[in-house]
Amino acid sequence: GAGVSQTPSNKVTEKGKYVELRCDPISGHTALYWYRQSLGQGPEFLIYFQGTGAADDSGLPNDRFFAVRPEGSVSTLKIQRTERGDSAVYLCASSLQSDSGANVLTFGAGSRLTVL
Amino acid sequence: AQSVTQPDIHITVSEGASLELRCNYSYGATPYLFWYVQSPGQGLQLLLKYFSGDTLVQGIKGFEAEFKRSQSSFNLRKPSVHWSDAAEYFCAVGPQGYSTLTFGKGTMLLVSP
Repeated sequence: GAGVSQTPSNKVTEKGKYVELRCDPISGHTALYWYRQSLGQGPEFLIYFQGTGAADDSGLPNDRFFAVRPEGSVSTLKIQRTERGDSAVYLCASSLQSDSGANVLTFGAGSRLTVL
Repeated sequence: AQSVTQPDIHITVSEGASLELRCNYSYGATPYLFWYVQSPGQGLQLLLKYFSGDTLVQGIKGFEAEFKRSQSSFNLRKPSVHWSDAAEYFCAVGPQGYSTLTFGKGTMLLVSP
């Protein structure tokens, strides 16, 4: 696609429920990133995919958070047993992966998650 | 660990006046540096980036930034601000190799008539 697409744009759920957030990256971008932006904060890194595999998941806060990218394109961020503290905007970004490492991230508009 | 400090949470500038947004970083090697802008309900848009070479980099919308290694700074500047520049601005630092960026907390720019 022309840009990074994220769905849903808004999600309201109740504490304890399961949530899935989807990201469709720019066609041809092999690298995909998830970030979380809480109110009044900058984006915080969650996980990075190179192709189908998670190359770096050091930012996932706990084992309630999981992400997949089974075919190396679309990714889904999954949150189990949601808590009020999970409320944030979840941002997805993608980039080409060059040998020089000089990669520029293109971000989607985000999925705003509200846990009541 | 790498970190980014944006010391100004809010800045108000009159339309037509010059702008400088401050960014200081902590990083153990030569960093990649970025400025992004975020308008309400929008994703982050890249304004400019520094990878190597000339320390004064030009970006979109008339913005520029200067990398000063001795001061660990990468301040964003614009000579004349327009009302449409009102938004939140984020500085970010990343390692060479792949782009796991660390962002600052952002500076909200307000433009007064």
